[in-house]
Amino acid sequence: QSVLTQPPSASGTPGQRVIISCSGSSSNIGGNTVTWYQHVPGTAPKLLIYNNNQRPSGVPDRFSGSKFGTSASLAISGLRSEDEADYYCSTWDDSLKAVVFGGGTKLPVL
Amino acid sequence: QVQLQESGPGLVKPSETLSLTCSVSGGSISHFYWSWIRQSPGKGLEWIGYIYDTGSTKYNPSLKSRVSISADTSKNQFSLRLSSVTAADTAVYFCARRTYDEVTGDYYFDYWGQGILVTVSS
Repeated sequence: QSVLTQPPSASGTPGQRVIISCSGSSSNIGGNTVTWYQHVPGTAPKLLIYNNNQRPSGVPDRFSGSKFGTSASLAISGLRSEDEADYYCSTWDDSLKAVVFGGGTKLPVL
Repeated sequence: QVQLQESGPGLVKPSETLSLTCSVSGGSISHFYWSWIRQSPGKGLEWIGYIYDTGSTKYNPSLKSRVSISADTSKNQFSLRLSSVTAADTAVYFCARRTYDEVTGDYYFDYWGQGILVTVSS
């Protein structure tokens, strides 16, 4: 069981807006920044969002991140077929003294 | 463009030591943190640990007693050793670069390898 809780799946159709949640606690999300990764199985995971809401160069502005208290969210607007992937949230846990991840959310684009 | 490539045996016997190497191209391993992360079948990602180019390391407490990460700056590689493996260590193992962002004070994994499947079985 992962330290950070994500819904196992989400779904959307092209053009829709999807929100993926990530729930933690005061020892992790509550006191540290959140990062999001996109992973198409069989390929290298990709950095999507860092510092809660910053996009690396090359990541479309359709992707946005937010954090409030001990939870974070990833929003994908204008869903496209190439967004079909697994999405993971991550942060540092002060109690465990470890990088922790969510269990991942599988996003098919129907 | 920095690229990472994992290599090593795809099959390890129970109780033996898993050894993997990550070769880095397109940039030096100096002045960065280099990590190992794994994904067990049907599960999420698990951070194993990282090494800084000076040789300082930090490991996930849940694996600390069995893990060792080392680096060879002359070969631009870093390695993972996980001892006394069991079937629970069967996973896809990823190597990744952990970057410190001086502007935001944030850490994140900005480059990853494609991963290598390691199966623990007799």
